[in-house]
Amino acid sequence: DAGVIQSPRHEVTEMGQEVTLRCKPISGHNSLFWYRQTMMRGLELLIYFNNNVPIDDSGMPEDRFSAKMPNASFSTLKIQPSEPRDSAVYFCASSLGTGGGGNTEAFFGQGTRLTVV
Amino acid sequence: GNSVTQMEGPVTLSEEAFLTINCTYTATGYPSLFWYVQYPGEGLQLLLKATKADDKGSNKGFEATYRKETTSFHLEKGSVQVSDSAVYFCALLSGNTGKLIFGQGTTLQVKP
Repeated sequence: DAGVIQSPRHEVTEMGQEVTLRCKPISGHNSLFWYRQTMMRGLELLIYFNNNVPIDDSGMPEDRFSAKMPNASFSTLKIQPSEPRDSAVYFCASSLGTGGGGNTEAFFGQGTRLTVV
Repeated sequence: GNSVTQMEGPVTLSEEAFLTINCTYTATGYPSLFWYVQYPGEGLQLLLKATKADDKGSNKGFEATYRKETTSFHLEKGSVQVSDSAVYFCALLSGNTGKLIFGQGTTLQVKP
């Protein structure tokens, strides 16, 4: 398997524009996580899905952010409208299960570096 | 709620020195614990894991023991190399909710 695939790797956009980040999880994984990484706040969990259903979106910073998972092989994170403070690296990760003491490690994509100017 | 706390960085060591990066957690139930490593410009990679109390995870000379009594999962390595320079993240996976959360990360710099 090619691992978790994110696109684009880099995105530069102007303030106010819509940005869509994409993620293809590892085939067979049923949990998917979106994280944001910045120097100031480290690695923040934004939202995670289990079996395509959003389980916890309490980390989504505000209504400008939305995430979808229309099927088991694809997820998007959208920012509309984007602002300079959204500049960060966004990671997608997937795993086999929902814990319960199992070996459900998460595998990360390479990330999307977003710059909003 | 669940949380993970790591020691502040950066940690700067000379090659072959002993490494400890402290990690403590707060959680309900019985979480699984992980250490991830992030090299410059890359995503996070799993370094080691432990799924129950007293388990010891190990990989590439690194090890960490799941200590329920002290709610800790400290990362250790007996002799670090320059190539170990990276950011290390301690993480917790809640067995109840499936939520995977990370500590703030600790930067390790190893000098020749």
